[in-house]
Amino acid sequence: DIQMTQSPSSLSASVGDRVTITCRSSQSIDTFLNWYQQKPGKAPELLIYAASILQGGVSSRFSGSGSGTDFTLTITSLQPEDFATYYCQQSQRTPHTFGQGTRLEIE
Amino acid sequence: QVQMVQSGSELKKPGASVKVSCKVSGYTISHFAMNWVRQAPGQGLEWMGWINTYTGTPTYAQAFTGRFVFSLDTSLSTAYLQIDNLRTEDTAVYYCTRRSSSRPSAFDYWGQGTLVTVSS
Repeated sequence: DIQMTQSPSSLSASVGDRVTITCRSSQSIDTFLNWYQQKPGKAPELLIYAASILQGGVSSRFSGSGSGTDFTLTITSLQPEDFATYYCQQSQRTPHTFGQGTRLEIE
Repeated sequence: QVQMVQSGSELKKPGASVKVSCKVSGYTISHFAMNWVRQAPGQGLEWMGWINTYTGTPTYAQAFTGRFVFSLDTSLSTAYLQIDNLRTEDTAVYYCTRRSSSRPSAFDYWGQGTLVTVSS
């Protein structure tokens, strides 16, 4: 199975900050990498697919990059609604494993 | 618009069975693969497997073979997850989620989740 490792596991930031979350896969997954946002008590929502393509309706403050084994999710000018948990996921092969999540908290 | 509505919370005793439903609207269920994802309390997301909604063929992640069954009723636009011989460690929120048709694919729509609590 492909293992997905996110860092950091948690992150404190302030409104207006720029933050970066990293995701590493245990083997190359080309750009078969997705990012999801989950707020407490809610289902995850797709933010970015294919490593860098913004899902429709998602703010342009979110961006993704990377290919192969190393990927990043960047959020610029943090807004209060961005404080949530973020997950990466590989969709190259089954099982479609998720990272362990990064909890973004208000500083 | 696409909607995926899951059945309500369940409280079951160990050894019992539960069947979670996921009714879709706004698209034809057989046109998109249906996946299931588990989230234990305070934990991350775990992919359970998927069902080919055209053929009805299920595929299970290794941790979800044996007691877990994915099924469909296309006439009702509904997918199901059945868990047999429930254990306390099955306590979790279970999500149905649609896999997009784009390539690479992603899970573009999700049900609201169904909390299954297993307790004696």
